[in-house]
Amino acid sequence: KAGVTQTPRYLIKTRGQQVTLSCSPISGHRSVSWYQQTPGQGLQFLFEYFSETQRNKGNFPGRFSGRQFSNSRSEMNVSTLELGDSALYLCASSVTGTGWEETQYFGPGTRLLVL
Amino acid sequence: KQEVTQIPAALSVPEGENLVLNCSFTDSAIYNLQWFRQDPGKGLTSLLLIQSSQREQTSGRLNASLDKSSGRSTLYIAASQPGDSATYLCAANYGGSQGNLIFGKGTKLSVKP
Repeated sequence: KAGVTQTPRYLIKTRGQQVTLSCSPISGHRSVSWYQQTPGQGLQFLFEYFSETQRNKGNFPGRFSGRQFSNSRSEMNVSTLELGDSALYLCASSVTGTGWEETQYFGPGTRLLVL
Repeated sequence: KQEVTQIPAALSVPEGENLVLNCSFTDSAIYNLQWFRQDPGKGLTSLLLIQSSQREQTSGRLNASLDKSSGRSTLYIAASQPGDSATYLCAANYGGSQGNLIFGKGTKLSVKP
């Protein structure tokens, strides 16, 4: 069974630009979550999608948005990039996201550098 | 505010040593706690998940315990190997969706041959 895949793996953008990251969950998984990882703040929850609906949202500005498609693939978008958005963006999937014994499976991440 | 703390931030041990990594959480009303491993530049790999009703979970050389009353979890690694070198993160789930985990900042483990 293929794992969680994320594209692209690396990205360089300049301030003010926007970026779209993609995540394909494990087949059969319907919950997709996004996290931002930085050396200073660690891993922080961005949002979670289930059945094309945002189910939970972290404490990030509106410049960060996402969506989920009918095949459970998800994209996140960051508009008007700032230097502080440089980070490793991780996507995780699970079957339903609500089973207390469910494990989250993480992708390799997309490393974004904003210049 | 719900916070997860991991001490120490870094740990270096010789190969073969048994070791314990610590994780503490401010709110004891957790639903479960997970331990992950992260290799440099990579995503996270789930190691163990302990539900709130459980006291410990074991997988191979790894044993994780959970004490909700004290707000603590430990990850015990037996007979450490150089391949165990990685950053270990614990994450608490406070309910709602499993996708909304609160992570500690991790303990970077180095096992010297």
